[in-house]
Amino acid sequence: AQSVAQPEDQVNVAEGNPLTVKCTYSVSGNPYLFWYVQYPNRGLQFLLKYITGDNLVKGSYGFEAEFNKSQTSFHLKKPSALVSDSALYFCAVRFMDSNYQLIWGAGTKLIIKP
Amino acid sequence: EAGVVQSPRYKIIEKKQPVAFWCNPISGHNTLYWYRQNLGQGPELLIRYENEEAVDDSQLPKDRFSAERLKGVDSTLKIQPAELGDSAVYLCASTPGESGANVLTFGAGSRLTVL
Repeated sequence: AQSVAQPEDQVNVAEGNPLTVKCTYSVSGNPYLFWYVQYPNRGLQFLLKYITGDNLVKGSYGFEAEFNKSQTSFHLKKPSALVSDSALYFCAVRFMDSNYQLIWGAGTKLIIKP
Repeated sequence: EAGVVQSPRYKIIEKKQPVAFWCNPISGHNTLYWYRQNLGQGPELLIRYENEEAVDDSQLPKDRFSAERLKGVDSTLKIQPAELGDSAVYLCASTPGESGANVLTFGAGSRLTVL
C-alpha cells in the first residue's frame, strides 16, 4: 500500500545547529514529493518540492531537501536552525495514479531551543 | 492577491447542531480541497473539486457531511448534525488545476469545537 512515514514525532535541536526532519515513502513509480510547514494557529505553507532533476532541492526560509530514490526518502534539512523554525512539518507525496492522490505524513514537531 | 479565505475562523457549537464553513479559493484556481486536521496530525482529505464537480469524495462521511461548489468558485462544507468527534480544524486549499506538480495553497482554517 502507498504510504508516507515521518518516523519522529518530535525533533529537538539547539539554535545554530543543523537540523534534519525525516520522511520516507512506499510507492511504485515516481512520486512527487513536498514539504509543508504549519506555524501555531496557521494554515499549512509550502516549503519545497521535488518533481524531477537534481536530487537536492532548495526552498523557503533556507530549507533544503534531498531525494534519495534507493532509500525512498526525502529528508528536510537546514544547515543552521533558528528559534523561529519551531513549527510542525509535514511531508506529502503525490502518487501519479489516475486520481493524483496526495498522501500526508503524520507530521514532525520541530523545537529549536535558544 | 488575496489568499485562500475561510470563515469562520472559530466556531463552538453544541452536539447535534448544524455548522457550515465557507471557503473562497485563489482567483483562477479550478481545484479546491477540503481537509480535516485533528490536533497534532496530518490533514485528511474530505473532498476534492475540479471546478464544480466533486471528483473525490470517498472520505467524506456522507451521512452527516455535505459540500457544494455551485459555480466552481467558492465552496461550503456543512455538518449536520455535529458530533463530539467532529472537533477539528477544517482546512480549505486550492490549486490552479489538477497537475501532480501543483502546490496547494491553504487557508488559515476553521477550528470547530463541539461540546
